[in-house]
Amino acid sequence: QQQVKQSPQSLIVQKGGISIINCAYENTAFDYFPWYQQFPGKGPALLIAIRPDVSEKKEGRFTISFNKSAKQFSLHIMDSQPGDSATYFCAGPGGATNKLIFGTGTLLAVQP
Amino acid sequence: EAGVAQSPRYKIIEKRQSVAFWCNPISGHATLYWYQQILGQGPKLLIQFQNNGVVDDSQLPKDRFSAERLKGVDSTLKIQPAKLEDSAVYLCATGSGGVGEQFFGPGTRLTVL
Repeated sequence: QQQVKQSPQSLIVQKGGISIINCAYENTAFDYFPWYQQFPGKGPALLIAIRPDVSEKKEGRFTISFNKSAKQFSLHIMDSQPGDSATYFCAGPGGATNKLIFGTGTLLAVQP
Repeated sequence: EAGVAQSPRYKIIEKRQSVAFWCNPISGHATLYWYQQILGQGPKLLIQFQNNGVVDDSQLPKDRFSAERLKGVDSTLKIQPAKLEDSAVYLCATGSGGVGEQFFGPGTRLTVL
């Protein structure tokens, strides 16, 4: 089973700061790299995703940086807000069936 | 657009009992997934349907778990008999096919005592 390794496990950031979460993958055939956001009691929801033909994608305060040679991608949250406090999961496709393999998650707390 | 519906939202059972979860996908979504999310971990795929056919059930404990998708729409996931380690949130997700966004329901939190 291919793995997706995520770090850190938890993160505390002050309001207005930058949150950075990292993900490393094994499967070089991955061609879709999403980040999901999950609030307590809710299912995960797609936050932002990137395909490996670009090195960076930005949507508002959220940016994915992709390093194909290092097989790593990261999520940057600029101007972090208390409403961003949630668990974040990176994921990658797990094979021919297009299933997703999720990372272990990062619990982000943004302090006011 | 209505989201993915799941019921029940919470279930508490004794070990060795049986339990069933129900999922109603977003209209028109051909692909349906059941995930198990243990506290503090990422979702783990149990089974994937394409319309009413099984695409991947490699991580489904088939001695106790079963799932079906009737007429390519609603789906049920059953556990019989339940074990303590089955305590988790069971998430249903759907997608329009291929590699892309998966839409998750709110999940069913199962506690096995």
